[in-house]
Amino acid sequence: KQEVTQIPAALSVPEGENLVLNCSFTDSAIYNLQWFRQDPGKGLTSLLLIQSSQREQTSGRLNASLDKSSGRSTLYIAASQPGDSATYLCAVRPGGADGLTFGKGTHLIIQP
Amino acid sequence: DAGVIQSPRHEVTEMGQEVTLRCKPISGHNSLFWYRQTMMRGLELLIYFNNNVPIDDSGMPEDRFSAKMPNASFSTLKIQPSEPRDSAVYFCASSLLLGGYTFGSGTRLTVV
Repeated sequence: KQEVTQIPAALSVPEGENLVLNCSFTDSAIYNLQWFRQDPGKGLTSLLLIQSSQREQTSGRLNASLDKSSGRSTLYIAASQPGDSATYLCAVRPGGADGLTFGKGTHLIIQP
Repeated sequence: DAGVIQSPRHEVTEMGQEVTLRCKPISGHNSLFWYRQTMMRGLELLIYFNNNVPIDDSGMPEDRFSAKMPNASFSTLKIQPSEPRDSAVYFCASSLLLGGYTFGSGTRLTVV
């Protein structure tokens, strides 16, 4: 059974810092990996989607990498801003099945 | 595109009552997923459909839960009878087959 782990569970940093959120998964047979953002009391917003054949995706200040063989992904946030404060969720779409398996998330606070 | 639309946004009901949650996926998406989110367990996949056909309902917690997708533009998740432990946020998501997910805003269910 696929398991997804996100480290750290919580992170608080001052504004302007670059930071890295980590995600690991136990079964490397995946179709894709997706990073989401969730604000308190809100739904999930897709940030980046990485297909299994890709190594990384970039959107603005966000960069996500994927190392399928080692079962790891990282989300890099450059020049963090208070508006980046949210919970960030990593999810993998397993090979041979369609349902996403989610990690528990990293609760990020950017201090002004 | 209006995105994935869920209704109601909030539902408060008494134990033993029937609850019906509704979802309209993005037009053209052929996969639809129902998730439940709680603080303790995070996001859990309940059931998903491909081309309106239920594929995997192994995440449905009990027989009290049922889901239908009568056509490509509508799905329901029903709980009958509801119990306090069903209180959670229920999300619907849709995607193209093996593509990235788009989530709805969720339904916050409280069973008293």
